[in-house]
Amino acid sequence: GNSVTQMEGPVTLSEEAFLTINCTYTATGYPSLFWYVQYPGEGLQLLLKATKADDKGSNKGFEATYRKETTSFHLEKGSVQVSDSAVYFCALGISGGSNYKLTFGKGTLLTVNP
Amino acid sequence: DAGVTQSPTHLIKTRGQQVTLRCSPKSGHDTVSWYQQALGQGPQFIFQYYEEEERQRGNFPDRFSGHQFPNYSSELNVNALLLGDSALYLCASSYGRGGAFFGQGTRLTVV
Repeated sequence: GNSVTQMEGPVTLSEEAFLTINCTYTATGYPSLFWYVQYPGEGLQLLLKATKADDKGSNKGFEATYRKETTSFHLEKGSVQVSDSAVYFCALGISGGSNYKLTFGKGTLLTVNP
Repeated sequence: DAGVTQSPTHLIKTRGQQVTLRCSPKSGHDTVSWYQQALGQGPQFIFQYYEEEERQRGNFPDRFSGHQFPNYSSELNVNALLLGDSALYLCASSYGRGGAFFGQGTRLTVV
């Protein structure tokens, strides 16, 4: 079946540090890959996505590259801010017709200290 | 644009009761998916509705059922509630292969 494994948290960084959150996946077929962010007390927000191998998704300084050979989609940011503190979820989507059923990882809690 | 709206925001029910949660999708979206998020876990896919029909379903028992209306809004019904059904229930809407947009969720507590 389909599954997503992401690095265990929590991750604690100082402001302006470099961030990497690892994500690997197992899937049948050719999934699209996503990173979602969840701030305290809120729903999930789409951060970035990639729909095919070697695609790079980017948004708000975050980047992730779809690596088919290593089945990975690691999230990176060069300089984190306190406002980036949240839970980050890696997800894969398999299209059932025209829309995706998403499979999520367990999430990684990021805390950025000033 | 109000985005995806869910109601109610919080709900407390007794074991064995039935509950209905509601979702209005983002304007222009025609597909609604429901997810269950237990505390400290990632969301788990329950089912997806498109053109008023259930199109995909995750590993959830028949106690979980849903409906989509002609205006694309949707309901999630859970019968015979168990303590283990306590979770955040998230609704997501989408159109085609664009990314899913999530609502704020309904926090269900079963006592």
